[in-house]
Amino acid sequence: NAGVTQTPKFQVLKTGQSMTLQCAQDMNHEYMSWYRQDPGMGLRLIHYSVGAGITDQGEVPNGYNVSRSTTEDFPLRLLSAAPSQTSVYFCASSSGQSFYGYTFGSGTRLTVV
Amino acid sequence: DAKTTQPPSMDCAEGRAANLPCNHSTISGNEYVYWYRQIHSQGPQYIIHGLKNNETNEMASLIITEDRKSSTLILPHATLRDTAVYYCIVYSGNTGKLIFGQGTTLQVKP
Repeated sequence: NAGVTQTPKFQVLKTGQSMTLQCAQDMNHEYMSWYRQDPGMGLRLIHYSVGAGITDQGEVPNGYNVSRSTTEDFPLRLLSAAPSQTSVYFCASSSGQSFYGYTFGSGTRLTVV
Repeated sequence: DAKTTQPPSMDCAEGRAANLPCNHSTISGNEYVYWYRQIHSQGPQYIIHGLKNNETNEMASLIITEDRKSSTLILPHATLRDTAVYYCIVYSGNTGKLIFGQGTTLQVKP
């Protein structure tokens, strides 16, 4: 099993550009989430999903869109990138009632210039 | 969502037990205490979780007070590789909403 796969690992965007961060999991997990982590800070929840077709906002959703058309994929879209969105983005998945919580991807380092 | 309070940083000597405290005084009856750690800039890693009883696995032990308002994560023989940020999180598993606090930075010293 590959676990949680995030692509790309690194990305540089210009202010105003849009892009999609990809997240895929092969564990048939129901729950998936996106977090951002700024330097020296903890993780903040952006959006999360408890199943295909169901998404909800987390702590810092502004500037980001998500959709969940399949169980495996949970892409995060930046509509118009801003320097404040420079961060490391983590995707995570869980089997819902799993007693092992969430499995995290290795992250995408995004720089907006 | 119940919130947790952790000390911002702790030191531990290599080979000694590391005891990391966490307060969660507003925890609800159906909420578990989860511990994760994040080594350098990697994705967080699950360590252990518990509801009421003390728990132990190959990585750590979790001691939860009888009133469930606080808990302690114990790394029995800390190594340099245990240097990380440790997050204590209260999570029900029903909502899918896992919220991280600031965590405790544990520095294991030779």
